[in-house]
Amino acid sequence: DQQVKQNSPSLSVQEGRISILNCDYTNSMFDYFLWYKKYPAEGPTFLISISSIKDKNEDGRFTVFLNKSAKHLSLHIVPSQPGDSAVYFCAASTYNNAGNMLTFGGGTRLMVKP
Amino acid sequence: DAGVTQSPTHLIKTRGQQVTLRCSPKSGHDTVSWYQQALGQGPQFIFQYYEEEERQRGNFPDRFSGHQFPNYSSELNVNALLLGDSALYLCASSFGASGGYTFGSGTRLTVV
Repeated sequence: DQQVKQNSPSLSVQEGRISILNCDYTNSMFDYFLWYKKYPAEGPTFLISISSIKDKNEDGRFTVFLNKSAKHLSLHIVPSQPGDSAVYFCAASTYNNAGNMLTFGGGTRLMVKP
Repeated sequence: DAGVTQSPTHLIKTRGQQVTLRCSPKSGHDTVSWYQQALGQGPQFIFQYYEEEERQRGNFPDRFSGHQFPNYSSELNVNALLLGDSALYLCASSFGASGGYTFGSGTRLTVV
């Protein structure tokens, strides 16, 4: 029973273009959502988060959108850079804090081509 | 300022054996969480330790146990290893249960 799903295992984008990574969830109790980036041989690093009371959060080139009615969130990276090539995980929490138990999606491998 | 340190980085064990993985949290952090990441999947929550007690536990059998020491470092123990326990084990530390995670680079466990 996957409560958080990333249906695209991989995504290839040209440098300078927009990357859109998607994530769906089923548990309506989730109220805090995060995106992590993972390079090989490294642990996941926090990228951006959003609380369920918001529908958008922006940090530089990264924007996360939340559609609660659709139980869907997306991460937009504009413009995409080759250094953004990594595996991206979305994660959700049932309490409005980031340190509680996180439920992760399966990840999307982003490849940004120069 | 050292981040989260995990040891060892790689480990090969035989089915049925026991293994202990270690984690030193980031300076200033007092909460440690453990995750299992199987190949091609996202991390799955095992348990979280705060004030030397298991605070939360995911859907893992009792073969998985842990400990947190007074200096906030932590151990993950797995008994009676199965081939399916082969995975990357990630430790994450935070300040309090509501702090954001900092992940270590993980321990790659292979069970043969």
